[in-house]
Amino acid sequence: SYELTQPPSVSVSPGQTARITCSGDALPKKYVYWYQQKSGQAPVLVIFEDNKRPSGIPERFSGSSSGTMATLTIRGAQVDDEADFYCYSTDSSGDQRVFGGGTKLTVL
Amino acid sequence: QVQLQESGPGLVKASETLSLTCTVTGYFISSGYYWAWIRQPPGKGLEWIGSIYFRGNTYYTSSLKSRLTMSVDTAKNQLSLRLTSVTPADTAVYYCARQEYNGNFLGAFDVWGQGTLVPVSS
Repeated sequence: SYELTQPPSVSVSPGQTARITCSGDALPKKYVYWYQQKSGQAPVLVIFEDNKRPSGIPERFSGSSSGTMATLTIRGAQVDDEADFYCYSTDSSGDQRVFGGGTKLTVL
Repeated sequence: QVQLQESGPGLVKASETLSLTCTVTGYFISSGYYWAWIRQPPGKGLEWIGSIYFRGNTYYTSSLKSRLTMSVDTAKNQLSLRLTSVTPADTAVYYCARQEYNGNFLGAFDVWGQGTLVPVSS
C-alpha cells in the first residue's frame, strides 16, 4: 500500500522557520495537501495543490514540492502554530488516498 | 455557511456493525463535491476511509473495502457510513468532510465536521 513519510517531530524557537517534509513515490505526479490539527480539534486545510494557500491562512504558511518530496514551510513560527501537521496525497493510480503519519510541531 | 455534523452510537460491540450519519447544512450535497469519511484512532494519525459522490460513485480505502459501505441520501442531505464486523482496532474519532472535485481529480477536504468518537468494546 502507498505511504507518505513525515518526521515525527519538528521543534523551533518562536520567530524561526519551521520546515516539515513529506515524501512519497507518486508525489512527482500528484498534488500534496497539508492539514493543521490543534489538540482536540478537527484538521484545517493550510495548503492545497502543493503550494496554494486557502483564504484566511496566514502568509507565513507556504508549500513546495520537488521530486518525491514536499515541504511545508512556516516562516516566523508562532507559539499558536503548535499542532500536528499532516500531508495528504494520492497513489499513482489515483484510487488510494493517504495521509502521512503526522508531524508534531513544537514552538518554544 | 457549510456545516457538517456526525452522529452515531456511543459504543459498538466487537463483531457488530458501526453505522454513522453526517448531516450537511448550508449546502446541497447534490450540488457537487465529493463527501468523505476520515478517522483517527486515539493518539494516532488520520486515516482516509472513503469518498462518495452524490450520484453514488465511490472510492474506498483498500484496507476496509470488504467491510465498508458508504451512501448518500440527497432528500435528507446526509451521507452515511456502515462498517461491518468491527474490532477494537476500529475505535476512532470519525470525521466527515467535504472534498473538492474539479471534474478530473479529487482535491482538498475543505470543510470538516467536529468528529464523533466511536469506541468498540471487546
